[in-house]
Amino acid sequence: GESVGLHLPTLSVQEGDNSIINCAYSNSASDYFIWYKQESGKGPQFIIDIRSNMDKRQGQRVTVLLNKTVKHLSLQIAATQPGDSAVYFCAENWAGANSKLTFGKGITLSVRP
Amino acid sequence: NAGVTQTPKFQVLKTGQSMTLQCAQDMNHNSMYWYRQDPGMGLRLIYYSASEGTTDKGEVPNGYNVSRLNKREFSLRLESAAPSQTSVYFCASRRQAQPQHFGDGTRLSIL
Repeated sequence: GESVGLHLPTLSVQEGDNSIINCAYSNSASDYFIWYKQESGKGPQFIIDIRSNMDKRQGQRVTVLLNKTVKHLSLQIAATQPGDSAVYFCAENWAGANSKLTFGKGITLSVRP
Repeated sequence: NAGVTQTPKFQVLKTGQSMTLQCAQDMNHNSMYWYRQDPGMGLRLIYYSASEGTTDKGEVPNGYNVSRLNKREFSLRLESAAPSQTSVYFCASRRQAQPQHFGDGTRLSIL
């Protein structure tokens, strides 16, 4: 099977609880941030994004919070479901970096039934 | 709408062999990327093409070459494969200031 989850931090949550996944980003000049979900054997899939002129954005069951003061990004998943089990990555766009994104190493979310 | 398509999905090579990984996108995106993903390392950028006709090195370009064949296609070549290049390779594409869209990867083993 896919080995991308090995050696990554793991967050274990009970089905139905809310999950909070945190990410510290590196560049105070980053202007755009994205959360991705990666299931075993698949490529990363876009979940939600936020621009640096915002501090909160909501989607369906997901919310992203941005704290530029401490360079912190979080993803909140409401009523976590077994299908949410995956590796989650944050990514930042360095302003002026010619279209490149920089990715975090990822966190494994494991949902207990 | 296929999105980003990578071929092959799996490949086993012997040390010293060469091969080309293919990637095509049908979203009319200007920018395309090649990453490798290893356990515990996250996604590392090998090469990228900000627009048709340009390519640039990323974080780990050694041992690889790329060709932006046209706006749709961006290939990655291993001229002389080494065991250290055993990895999962992802292609992605993007419109400026928008999320990257990824293919489902090529799982490459080099013996």
